[in-house]
Amino acid sequence: DIQMTQSPSSLSASVGDRVTITCRASQSISTYLNWYQQKPGKAPKLLIYAASSLQSGVPSRFSGSGSGTDFTLTISSLQPEDFATYYCQQSYSTPRTFGQGTKLEIK
Amino acid sequence: QVQLQESGPGLVKPSQTLSLTCTVSGGSISSGSYYWSWIRQPAGKGLEWIGRIYTSGSTNYNASLKSRVTISIDTSKNQFSLKLSSVTAADTAVYYCASVSRDGYNKFDYWGQGTLVTVSS
Repeated sequence: DIQMTQSPSSLSASVGDRVTITCRASQSISTYLNWYQQKPGKAPKLLIYAASSLQSGVPSRFSGSGSGTDFTLTISSLQPEDFATYYCQQSYSTPRTFGQGTKLEIK
Repeated sequence: QVQLQESGPGLVKPSQTLSLTCTVSGGSISSGSYYWSWIRQPAGKGLEWIGRIYTSGSTNYNASLKSRVTISIDTSKNQFSLKLSSVTAADTAVYYCASVSRDGYNKFDYWGQGTLVTVSS
């Protein structure tokens, strides 16, 4: 199985900050990497697919980059509604696996 | 836009079989545009992929659960289902169904709201 490791596990930031979350795969996954946002009591929501493609309807302050084993999710200017938990997920092989999550909290 | 809704018992006794159904609306489950997955999340923990099913009925399961999992599809009802046998407290989780676009990116596009299943006597 491909192991996905996110860092940090939690992060405190303020509205307007630029935030970066990293995700590392245990082997190369090309650009088969997706990012999701999850708010308490809700299902995850797709933000970024194929490492850097913005899902329709997702604000442009979200961006993704990387290939191979190292990936990043960047939020350029945090908004109040962005405080949530973020997961990366590899779609290179089965079983599909997720990172452990990064909880983004208000400072 | 595809919409998904999970349904099934919220409480299952240990050693019994968990059964959930996902009803798809906003499109035909057999359109060929998607395949269909189950994912679960224990309280306060991360996401675990359970398995997937294609419209043809072909399936793939997570090896960690493979001996206990069955995913099936009923195109006449626009539904797909999950059965997990011999459950224990470790199977207590929110269970999500999700669609996966057949565009090569294998992303979980749309999710159901999730249903909490508790395993307890």
